[in-house]
Amino acid sequence: GENVEQHPSTLSVQEGDSAVIKCTYSDSASNYFPWYKQELGKGPQLIIDIRSNVGEKKDQRIAVTLNKTAKHFSLHITETQPEDSAVYFCAASILEGGADGLTFGKGTHLIIQP
Amino acid sequence: DARVTQTPRHKVTEMGQEVTMRCQPILGHNTVFWYRQTMMQGLELLAYFRNRAPLDDSGMPKDRFSAEMPDATLATLKIQPSEPRDSAVYFCASGLLLAISSYNEQFFGPGTRLTVL
Repeated sequence: GENVEQHPSTLSVQEGDSAVIKCTYSDSASNYFPWYKQELGKGPQLIIDIRSNVGEKKDQRIAVTLNKTAKHFSLHITETQPEDSAVYFCAASILEGGADGLTFGKGTHLIIQP
Repeated sequence: DARVTQTPRHKVTEMGQEVTMRCQPILGHNTVFWYRQTMMQGLELLAYFRNRAPLDDSGMPKDRFSAEMPDATLATLKIQPSEPRDSAVYFCASGLLLAISSYNEQFFGPGTRLTVL
């Protein structure tokens, strides 16, 4: 089955700086790679996703890159703000939208220092 | 504002007791997932349904866990008997997942925090 590794487990950055979280996956059949943000006491919320036919996708301050050959993908957050503090999870699945269920990384606790 | 609802939000029970968690998916969604979150294992897929039919429950301990969808507006996850190692946050997610090329997304509920003493 799929295995998703995520690094780092904790990331502390100064407000206004950029944050990068990296994930690798094992199953070359995976085609869908979402990123979720989880705030304390809440369920994960999708913030951005990328499909295997795309190398990069941006949404305002958030971007995701995918390297299918190397089987890794990354989340980039620019101009970080205090409200970006949360736990971020990467995930992978074979089918669109995780229709066959998502395999998650272990999460990155992002801390934005004022 | 459509959202996935889960009840109860918190449950504390004694080892050996039966626990039932409920999920109301977003109206019109055809796929429901159950995930479990622990500090050690992270988020794990337990089971999922499409159009109320169970498609995969390989992530679920078969001897004590069961998942059902009595109707399109209700999914249940039952643990009988419960054990301390079942303590976790259980999330339900739903999505309208159609053809492979369609835009699909999973929406998560707020979770049920289960503590088994």
